[in-house]
Amino acid sequence: SAVISQKPSRDICQRGTSLTIQCQVDSQVTMMFWYRQQPGQSLTLIATANQGSEATYESGFVIDKFPISRPNLTFSTLTVSNMSPEDSSIYLCSVRGTSRSYEQYFGPGTRLTVT
Amino acid sequence: GENVEQHPSTLSVQEGDSAVIKCTYSDSASNYFPWYKQELGKGPQLIIDIRSNVGEKKDQRIAVTLNKTAKHFSLHITETQPEDSAVYFCAASRGTASKLTFGTGTRLQVTL
Repeated sequence: SAVISQKPSRDICQRGTSLTIQCQVDSQVTMMFWYRQQPGQSLTLIATANQGSEATYESGFVIDKFPISRPNLTFSTLTVSNMSPEDSSIYLCSVRGTSRSYEQYFGPGTRLTVT
Repeated sequence: GENVEQHPSTLSVQEGDSAVIKCTYSDSASNYFPWYKQELGKGPQLIIDIRSNVGEKKDQRIAVTLNKTAKHFSLHITETQPEDSAVYFCAASRGTASKLTFGTGTRLQVTL
């Protein structure tokens, strides 16, 4: 399985500011995803990060709030913009090796607290 | 879209006992069913998965069973140990090009 790292591991931010989370994978992967996990809750897909094109967002998530970049097959960033306390969550990067892969792996997560 | 229900939400067992977590799904086209273990402060870890052409799969102390007709699948952990304490999530998808839909999670506590 791929080794996935995220930076930062945690942060405390003030409302109205933005935070960019980085996801780095130790091998090239076709599919990268960003999830949100609110305290004590399940995982919710924010978007699929597409290399060389705009991310595909799920219902309820918009590009202006969660801009995503994916410059290559091993790296992606998620920005949480104009943060409010409701954005306090764990943000998780996830990958599948190829478009034919079933298995999906998760990074360690970024724990965000907005005050 | 797909809906995955998971039960129970919490489960407490004594060390050495077995634990069973059950999930039901709504989309009959779903064909891939993974289970994840999430320890406190960590990301979810894929522990076992099953595809719809298989009824049961085992890996040491853990096993997953699938009943396509009833649209439910279960995680079985035998001889539980304290390190099995975590939150477990089931998920379902239609396959490689499809997103995973997660259950609501089960908090398993293994007591000494």
